Amino acid sequence: KQEVTQIPAALSVPEGENLVLNCSFTDSAIYNLQWFRQDPGKGLTSLLLIQSSQREQTSGRLNASLDKSSGRSTLYIAASQPGDSATYLCAAHGSSNTGKLIFGQGTTLQVKP
Amino acid sequence: NAGVTQTPKFQVLKTGQSMTLQCAQDMNHNSMYWYRQDPGMGLRLIYYSASEGTTDKGEVPNGYNVSRLNKREFSLRLESAAPSQTSVYFCASSAGLGTGKETQYFGPGTRLLVL
Repeated sequence: KQEVTQIPAALSVPEGENLVLNCSFTDSAIYNLQWFRQDPGKGLTSLLLIQSSQREQTSGRLNASLDKSSGRSTLYIAASQPGDSATYLCAAHGSSNTGKLIFGQGTTLQVKP
Repeated sequence: NAGVTQTPKFQVLKTGQSMTLQCAQDMNHNSMYWYRQDPGMGLRLIYYSASEGTTDKGEVPNGYNVSRLNKREFSLRLESAAPSQTSVYFCASSAGLGTGKETQYFGPGTRLLVL
């Protein structure tokens, strides 16, 4: 059974710092891995999707990597801003022919001005 | 485009009452999903519909039923609400597997309190 873990649960950094959020998964046979952002009281916003055949994806200041062999993904945020404060969730999409995502518990990021 | 919309935004029920949560998407997506989000448990899949006319159970289907009314709409029904169903419910949609566009798009959520 796929399990997804995100450590740490919370992170506080000063504005301008580069940071890395971690995601690990137990079953390397994933179809893809997705990173989401969730603001308090809101729904999830998709940030990046990495297919199993890819090593990384970039969008603006965000870069997500995927290492299936080690069961790890990272989300790199460059030059963090207070507006980046939110909970970041990763989700593994299994190898079955469904769209089922298994979510981690999330990392809550606070970027201090 | 509105994306994924959900109604209602908030609901309070008494134990044993029934209700239906509505979800609609305007992105012509094939696949739709219902999740619940609980503190300490994260997001868990309740039911999903890979394509119009099909539905399947997710991780936590007990106490729920779903209907894929058409390609746009996917509803979640609680037949006899229980306090354990107090949660935030999210609907999501995606183009579908094998399309290269498996990104899931989420609605704003329905906050449900069962007393």
